[in-house]
Amino acid sequence: SAVISQKPSRDICQRGTSLTIQCQVDSQVTMMFWYRQQPGQSLTLIATANQGSEATYESGFVIDKFPISRPNLTFSTLTVSNMSPEDSSIYLCSVEEPGQGYEQYFGPGTRLTVT
Amino acid sequence: AQKITQTQPGMFVQEKEAVTLDCTYDTSDPSYGLFWYKQPSSGEMIFLIYQGSYDQQNATEGRYSLNFQKARKSANLVISASQLGDSAMYFCAMREAYRDDKIIFGKGTRLHILP
Repeated sequence: SAVISQKPSRDICQRGTSLTIQCQVDSQVTMMFWYRQQPGQSLTLIATANQGSEATYESGFVIDKFPISRPNLTFSTLTVSNMSPEDSSIYLCSVEEPGQGYEQYFGPGTRLTVT
Repeated sequence: AQKITQTQPGMFVQEKEAVTLDCTYDTSDPSYGLFWYKQPSSGEMIFLIYQGSYDQQNATEGRYSLNFQKARKSANLVISASQLGDSAMYFCAMREAYRDDKIIFGKGTRLHILP
């Protein structure tokens, strides 16, 4: 399976600032996904990022708050803008691989704490 | 209505015993896939096993097997000969063919393996 890395692995940020999370894959992939996992909760899909087109956001998530870039087939960024304590979560990127079930493989995640 | 239901928020099991983690799902799509992921305390999401709706046999991957009962819409994960390293959060997830490659996750079950 693809090897996925994320930067930073964790960060503590002040309210009102922005943080950009990077996701790097060691092979070219078509579909990349960004998820949020709030403390003690399950994963919620933020958006799907395809190269060469705008990201597709899920209900409840907007581009102004979570702008996403996908400049090529191995890299994507997610920015969490104008942060509040409610944004404290683990943010995970994933890629889809054309295995039996097109399962998704995840990066190690970015633990964000907003104070 | 929830698409994926995991009724066991937490489980305690003695080491070397077999474990069954419950998962029921709700879909009217005849083509779907079911996944199980493991999330250790480190936060990484680890893909364990996949079962397709048209698969005739239950999926197996090493110590993991999926007890797929289609009529009951049940996809329980069975871990044989549990180990201390199996202590983690386990998520059941589903992909439906009409939902554009998106995977929906259940709320998870926290498994504790006791020495």
